[in-house]
Amino acid sequence: GAGVSQSPSNKVTEKGKDVELRCDPISGHTALYWYRQRLGQGLEFLIYFQGNSAPDKSGLPSDRFSAERTGESVSTLTIQRTQQEDSAVYLCASSLTRDRDWAFFGQGTRLTVV
Amino acid sequence: GEDVEQSLFLSVREGDSSVINCTYTDSSSTYLYWYKQEPGAGLQLLTYIFSNMDMKQDQRLTVLLNKKDKHLSLRIADTQTGDSAIYFCAEKDGSQGNLIFGKGTKLSVKP
Repeated sequence: GAGVSQSPSNKVTEKGKDVELRCDPISGHTALYWYRQRLGQGLEFLIYFQGNSAPDKSGLPSDRFSAERTGESVSTLTIQRTQQEDSAVYLCASSLTRDRDWAFFGQGTRLTVV
Repeated sequence: GEDVEQSLFLSVREGDSSVINCTYTDSSSTYLYWYKQEPGAGLQLLTYIFSNMDMKQDQRLTVLLNKKDKHLSLRIADTQTGDSAIYFCAEKDGSQGNLIFGKGTKLSVKP
């Protein structure tokens, strides 16, 4: 596609429910990143995929968070048993390679847990 | 671990120059970036600099890199109200390829 696409753009869910967020990276981009941005805060790294290598999951805040990516295509971020503190904008980005290329960001998914 | 630090706020008058500073810790970083986030919008790459460069100029933007002190700055000449946004400094982890972001500097431009 022309850019990084995220869906849904907005999600309101009840506390305790599971949610799944989707990211379609730019075609051919081997690197994919997930970040969380709470209201008025900076970007918090969650997870990083690079090609077929094992993902860097060091930023996932708890075992309720998981993410998958099949090859160099779509990624899904799953949050189980959502809590109010999970409310944030979840940003996905992709880059062509791991080394020199800058990342292109999607518009984000705004998650509200009520 | 790697860390990127920025001051949180900067306020300037329209027409003045803005200088946003950033410090980073990973000496193996190969690229350093400045991203811009306008209210309610996603992040947009503004400019970047390769670690073997000292300076990069792109129209109103000047990036200065002091690799010895691990200090990066972004200067915006003739700042306009449309430059009001949050500016994020980011480094690319030289060993892992991950992007590490600062918390962002909110630039307010007063007319």
